[in-house]
Amino acid sequence: QVQIVQSGAEVKKPGASVNLSCKASGYRFTTHALHWVRQAPGQSFEWMGWINSGNGYTKYVRKFQDRVTFTTDTSASMAYMELSGLTSEDTAVYYCAREAGGDWLDPWGQGTLVIVSS
Amino acid sequence: SYVLTQPPSVSVAPGKTATISCGGDDVESKSVHWYQQKPGQAPVLVVCDDSDRPSGIPERFSGSNSGNTATLTISRVEAGDEADYYCQVWESNDDLVVFGGGTKLTVL
Repeated sequence: QVQIVQSGAEVKKPGASVNLSCKASGYRFTTHALHWVRQAPGQSFEWMGWINSGNGYTKYVRKFQDRVTFTTDTSASMAYMELSGLTSEDTAVYYCAREAGGDWLDPWGQGTLVIVSS
Repeated sequence: SYVLTQPPSVSVAPGKTATISCGGDDVESKSVHWYQQKPGQAPVLVVCDDSDRPSGIPERFSGSNSGNTATLTISRVEAGDEADYYCQVWESNDDLVVFGGGTKLTVL
């Protein structure tokens, strides 16, 4: 079955960078875009952008554009997100999700908790 | 930027019908998708393209979209339906994914 498994929780200090990964399986990796979405504690979802898994094209939300990078390793069906210049406001659960047939997201990975604290 | 507005909370008795709204300017011109999120879990798609149900989602879940309001309807509500529900659209003008603020469904 289609599945996305994300890397484990991270604790970072302010100003640091974090690298998260997600492993996709159960489908042809290059035929579906991957989206990154985060959810701060008690909040709704904040969409960060997406990457075309076939050609590497990326779209970043303007808010994150200067400090986020999405990449993929098609040979390993892996996607990565690097977020730099962390502040406490970046404390959240970060999700990787597959763009399905239309513009909906399915499935989602289990999420990676990132805590930014001095 | 495009905004989707949901009521913060909805309460319903078991066996009754729950309706969760998602308001947006001319939202009927967009495809609305709905996700269920239970505490500590990742979101699960329950309705896509306004009213389609993904495989494995009970028929009790249905959706509609008209005018400025999309609606998720859950019939014969069960205790296990208690969760947060989020609507989502693709805002093509700005090429952005937009989520509603979420609605907490409480089963009384």
